[in-house]
Amino acid sequence: GESVGLHLPTLSVQEGDNSIINCAYSNSASDYFIWYKQESGKGPQFIIDIRSNMDKRQGQRVTVLLNKTVKHLSLQIAATQPGDSAVYFCAGEGGGSQGNLIFGKGTKLSVKP
Amino acid sequence: DVKVTQSSRYLVKRTGEKVFLECVQDMDHENMFWYRQDPGLGLRLIYFSYDVKMKEKGDIPEGYSVSREKKERFSLILESASTNQTSMYLCASSGIQGFSPLHFGNGTRLTVT
Repeated sequence: GESVGLHLPTLSVQEGDNSIINCAYSNSASDYFIWYKQESGKGPQFIIDIRSNMDKRQGQRVTVLLNKTVKHLSLQIAATQPGDSAVYFCAGEGGGSQGNLIFGKGTKLSVKP
Repeated sequence: DVKVTQSSRYLVKRTGEKVFLECVQDMDHENMFWYRQDPGLGLRLIYFSYDVKMKEKGDIPEGYSVSREKKERFSLILESASTNQTSMYLCASSGIQGFSPLHFGNGTRLTVT
């Protein structure tokens, strides 16, 4: 079946450094990808999305890169701050049902002061 | 900002009880979803709905049902709670215009004893 997965379950970075969280997907027909941030005790919060007709999209301190050739996307966080500590999920359009996303299992980002 | 509100943050129920989890969104979204989130398994889709009185099974509908009598409200029902339904339950909504991310509530942590 279709899958979306992250490469590393945990990532530890120094405050001020850049963070890169990677994700792979299996469905080459997926047209839409989203990154979510989930802090402890809260629901997933939308960070940034990208459509398959783009290979890069930038937000505030975040950049998502999409490589359709190898079915890989990444989330880059510039100048990582303690408030960025959370679990990050990638999600891809699952196809079929409208709005149905397939989620990766998450990478826990820890920021060391 | 989209607001998705889940009526309870924590619930403790006994095996065999009928359990209602309520979710309300304030953005007039057509699509609403129920997920459960478990360590190591990520987010799994239970049920979703495209419109009032419409419902579709997700990946793990067994033991659950849903109700959508009004556009803004989507209820998840556990007909006879079991201990393996102890989990974090997340409600989400999305619009239908183009590519639209899911917006999540803060979750209900249900414990079945």
